[in-house]
This record gives sequence, C-alpha cells and structure tokens, in this order.
Amino acid sequence: DGGITQSPKYLFRKEGQNVTLSCEQNLNHDAMYWYRQDPGQGLRLIYYSQIVNDFQKGDIAEGYSVSREKKESFPLTVTSAQKNPTAFYLCASSSRLPGGNEQFFGPGTRLTVL
Amino acid sequence: SQQGEEDPQALSIQEGENATMNCSYKTSINNLQWYRQNSGRGLVHLILIRSNEREKHSGRLRVTLDTSKKSSSLLITASRAADTASYFCATDRGNNNDMRFGAGTRLTVKP
Repeated sequence: DGGITQSPKYLFRKEGQNVTLSCEQNLNHDAMYWYRQDPGQGLRLIYYSQIVNDFQKGDIAEGYSVSREKKESFPLTVTSAQKNPTAFYLCASSSRLPGGNEQFFGPGTRLTVL
Repeated sequence: SQQGEEDPQALSIQEGENATMNCSYKTSINNLQWYRQNSGRGLVHLILIRSNEREKHSGRLRVTLDTSKKSSSLLITASRAADTASYFCATDRGNNNDMRFGAGTRLTVKP
C-alpha cells in the first residue's frame, strides 16, 4: 500500500515538554509539508521541505522544528516554546514535477496539552 | 497567511440538490486546487485547475476559475449524504510548490 502515515493518532503532552510527531511516506515524493489546523479553521503551513536535508519555514514556524534526513521521513517537534500547541497536525507530501501537483495527506495527529 | 477564503462558511442542503461553494484569493496563482476533509481526518484532493483553464469537470464536480476576479467555484451536482464534509480551496503560487488553504466550507447534505 502506498501512502502517507502519521503517528500517533492522539498525543497528550504536559506543559513544558517537547514532543515529536512522526510522518512517513512511501510515495517517493520529494516534497513534504506540515500543517496545523485549529477547530473550524483552515490549514496553516508550519514547515515544508522540497528535498532531503533542506527545509523552509512556513507561516507559523515559531515553536516548531523539523528535520529531513531521509526522503521518506519528515518528523515535526513541538517545543515548549510553542505557547498554544493544542491542535490537529497534518502532514502531506507531493512530487516536484513542474506545474503544481496535488498533495497527499496523512490521517493527522491530534495533540492535546494537559 | 491564508490565501483563499471560502464562501459560505457553512451550507446545508437536501440530498439531490446542487451545492455551490466559492473561493476568493489575493495574489496571482499557478493553479488552484479543491480538497475535501471528513471530520477529524486528513484532506483528500478533488480537482486541480490551472491558471490558463476556465472550467473543469470530474464526475459530479464542476470547478470554474476566473483569474480576473481572483475567484473559483466548486459545484457538486445531485448531492448525496456522503458528500457531507468540509471543502477547502488551496492556491499554488508556483513558488517552491507550497500552497495556502482557505478556512473551508462545511457542507451538510441531509438525507
């Protein structure tokens, strides 16, 4: 089965703790993305990566960090510097063919700060 | 920053009726895409329309694009209860392949 997976589905964190969300894809896509979605809202771009060992900040990168050591993996760390981390986090991937391409999304991770 | 804005925010219709959702955006784009999201799930790509296209069809979906007005519409014909979901437009400006999503339209189709 080709696709994009995220784990865990639900995550609880105490205030002041860092937590890492996993995102893996076997679609051979070069580009990967992390979005945050708040209740009743659209998606906001946190970070994206066009190629291994390279990534760029999106619109709301503060308090988050990423790495792209492998093509298949793009983990997101929510640090204690993120003041309001409770949200639904979505990972996506796409090919880099010119002309724009659809993004394939994972099922999401719901993070709750206790 | 959000690029697209969907209108209406919420739409409730009866099964069999048509549903029309609109999207407006601010900057020039390479293409515009529509996605669907069932509650608590990831997004699923529905259709992509390029900046040089005006209309596109896919099954019961019809998308139009007016670049002079910076707007797009998504029409779902003969709606079904299973079409109940949130629908988002996303604009691709062609820079680094990153897209911007609107806040979405929540569609409810009553059986």
